[in-house]
Amino acid sequence: QQKVQQSPESLIVPEGGMASLNCTSSDRNVDYFWWYRQHSGKSPKMLMSIFSNGEKEEGRFTVHLNKASLHTSLHIRDSQPSDSALYLCAASSAGNKLTFGIGTRVLVRP
Amino acid sequence: EAAVTQSPRNKVAVTGGKVTLSCNQTNNHNNMYWYRQDTGHGLRLIHYSYGAGSTEKGDIPDGYKASRPSQENFSLILELATPSQTSVYFCASGEGSQNTLYFGAGTRLSVL
Repeated sequence: QQKVQQSPESLIVPEGGMASLNCTSSDRNVDYFWWYRQHSGKSPKMLMSIFSNGEKEEGRFTVHLNKASLHTSLHIRDSQPSDSALYLCAASSAGNKLTFGIGTRVLVRP
Repeated sequence: EAAVTQSPRNKVAVTGGKVTLSCNQTNNHNNMYWYRQDTGHGLRLIHYSYGAGSTEKGDIPDGYKASRPSQENFSLILELATPSQTSVYFCASGEGSQNTLYFGAGTRLSVL
């Protein structure tokens, strides 16, 4: 069973719309969460990280973290076709080892 | 930006053959990682290293060995390749417990 669960598996969003992605860890030792973005045929690149409870905003992207429930969410507002990609949630607990979820595939339709 | 270079980019191997995937980083990061990515499984950690001379088993180490001869280089070795090891392999480097991982471009391996 995946220790990092993501939902939904896929998402279609109209251009200019809001995309909301969810991620939950089943490992209670998790300390840190990341969101990576992977365009088709490319390697993953870190999009945002969050280590404390609350919210963090960078441009059109906002992440939330609830450490009690080990849940993080990523919200993309004013979605653009260039946002179409696989979004990977990652979490780390002991040491520096990251565990990734399967990902949410986002398609932004013009 | 951090640089991680993988070679080869594509590889076709025969079942039972030996395959070596190489990774070089110029970031001077202590930590390096090997992941494989398969549809339905996401990125899974095979081996990782905290520095030259060290290797640690990840979540799916069976059938793989790793070597970290220097700070810059980290290799993944398949001694007896099997078709189930057909996948895309990513190397990454990072630093510290809050480290961002920097990924290489990936190696597409087909074992026939």
